[in-house]
Amino acid sequence: DTAVSQTPKYLVTQMGNDKSIKCEQNLGHDTMYWYKQDSKKFLKIMFSYNNKELIINETVPNRFSPKSPDKAHLNLHINSLELGDSAVYFCASSQGGPSSNYGYTFGSGTRLTVV
Amino acid sequence: GDSVTQMEGPVTLSEEAFLTINCTYTATGYPSLFWYVQYPGEGLQLLLKATKADDKGSNKGFEATYRKETTSFHLEKGSVQVSDSAVYFCALTSDSNYQLIWGAGTKLIIKP
Repeated sequence: DTAVSQTPKYLVTQMGNDKSIKCEQNLGHDTMYWYKQDSKKFLKIMFSYNNKELIINETVPNRFSPKSPDKAHLNLHINSLELGDSAVYFCASSQGGPSSNYGYTFGSGTRLTVV
Repeated sequence: GDSVTQMEGPVTLSEEAFLTINCTYTATGYPSLFWYVQYPGEGLQLLLKATKADDKGSNKGFEATYRKETTSFHLEKGSVQVSDSAVYFCALTSDSNYQLIWGAGTKLIIKP
């Protein structure tokens, strides 16, 4: 009964490959997010969807494309992977939008290693 | 724009020591303030929050008070345990920023 679940937990792939990370939440939240955490633990928002509509689209390479088939799912597809894409990617959700007073619920992360 | 500044880590303490991790913020309007914790190899968890001035958030023995006059939200715990070793993030949301603004995180190491 995990609240926000991401798959896979670990992903090792070669440069130039295309990969996807999946996220699902069973909390009934209407907003979902993708974050990138670098090796120094710095968190960077990448995208946010509210009820399947893209509401935050930060400056990230257009090799990264989010997709939200419904409000419980937000997937991240990455084309032509580069060494610099190696990081931990977190999915999160919240009730009431990015400025929610309730806080965010995070998944356990996907550690992506590009070799 | 809005911002959050945390004390640099790592912070290293002995078990049962008193903990303070400083967090100050800059924001227009009336932000809500949060502390998140990230244990090794895990995602972030909401630890506590405060949504208006003078509110005190508390959870698992941790406390933080929303001080508008000093624009601070320092995290405290009276007696830390080895299991408190983690990275702690201060964050805010406000009406002027349509997202969660994060501090850089402070790594806490508790030695037995």
